[in-house]
Order: sequence, then structure tokens, then C-alpha cells
Amino acid sequence: QVQLVQSGSELKMPGASVKVSCRASGYDFTTYAMNWLRQAPGQGLECLGYINTNTGRPTFAQGFTGRFVFSMDTSVSTAYLQISSLKAEDTAIYYCATRDLRKPWGQGTLVTVSS
Amino acid sequence: DIQMTQSPSTLSASVGDRVSITCRASQNISAWLAWYQQKPGKAPKLLIYRASFLESGVPSRFSGSGSGTEFTLTISSLQPDDLATYYCQQYNSYWTFGQGTKVEIK
Repeated sequence: QVQLVQSGSELKMPGASVKVSCRASGYDFTTYAMNWLRQAPGQGLECLGYINTNTGRPTFAQGFTGRFVFSMDTSVSTAYLQISSLKAEDTAIYYCATRDLRKPWGQGTLVTVSS
Repeated sequence: DIQMTQSPSTLSASVGDRVSITCRASQNISAWLAWYQQKPGKAPKLLIYRASFLESGVPSRFSGSGSGTEFTLTISSLQPDDLATYYCQQYNSYWTFGQGTKVEIK
């Protein structure tokens, strides 16, 4: 069955970087773009953008350029989100989800930024 | 960016009630609208796609309607398991979400 499995929770200091992984199984990874989303504590859902898993080209939503990097490794069917210069307001659960809405999302990765 | 405005933000109803949640898009999105249910500590779960198509395995008490800029999610007979937050999402251009509706059981 289709699964997106994300890496575990992270606790980071302000100014550090973090890399979250999302490993896909049960379908051809290159068929559907991969979206990255986040949900701050008690808040709603925001889409950061997506990576075209066929070409590797990233597209970022407004407000998510500069510190955010999308990458992938098709040999292991895995997409990555890297955030640099972390701030307290980056504290959130980060989700991956394919462009095919009917496939389940990843389970989420909690990133906590705190000194 | 397409903005999604969802109402109400909180809804309190009794078991068996018919409840509706409304979502308005800032521009025409045709039928490129989905509804999700999110329970605490869990990833969102797809209920409805393309405005009115019920996802496989979702109880038939859930239904969606609308097109263009106005959409509605209806739960025909509220059940205790429906306690959750519901989000609309447009996927006409990138993805944007409504602010969410928290459904409480009286």
C-alpha cells in the first residue's frame, strides 16, 4: 500500500539547520510531485511548495523562498526539506504529501526550535 | 495567491444533527476543492475531492457540494467519531487551505 514515512522529531537551536526526509513506497515516486506543508502549534495548514519528482525542480509558495530547500533522491524514493537559519516561529509539524490528493500524507515531523 | 475563507471557526452540535461548513474561494477554482478531517496528533485525512467526490472508505454521511467560489461540506447525522477539525483546500493553483472548523459534540 502507499506510504509516506517521515523522519523523527528534531530539537534545534535558533540559527541551526534541519533536514526532514519523506520516504515513499507503494507507487512510482517520480509520478507525482511532492508537496511540503507545515502546521504551527494550534494553527492551520500552510503549503510551503513542492518538488517536481520527475525533474527535481522546486516551486516555493510566497514567503518560503531563501531559507527553504527541497531536494530528492530518486534511488531511494525520498524527498527532503531543509530549513536553514531556524527561528522560533519555524516550530511546527512538517508534512509531506503527494500531488495526488488520494494518497495518504506522511505522519508528520515535529521540528522544535528553542534555545 | 488564492485565499480560502472557511466558516464557522467552531461548531457545536448534538449527535444526530445535520451540520454544514462553508468555504469561499477568492477566485473561481472550478471544482478543484477538497475537504479534510484532522484529529489531534494525526495527519489530515481526505474526505472529499473535486468538490463532491467521496473518498473511498469515508462514511456516506459526509457530502460535498459547490463549484466556482462557494463550497459546502455537510455531515448528515453527526456522530461522536466526527469530533475533529475540518479544512477545505483549493488545488486549482498551488495549495491553500481554509482556517479550519473545529467540530464539537454537545
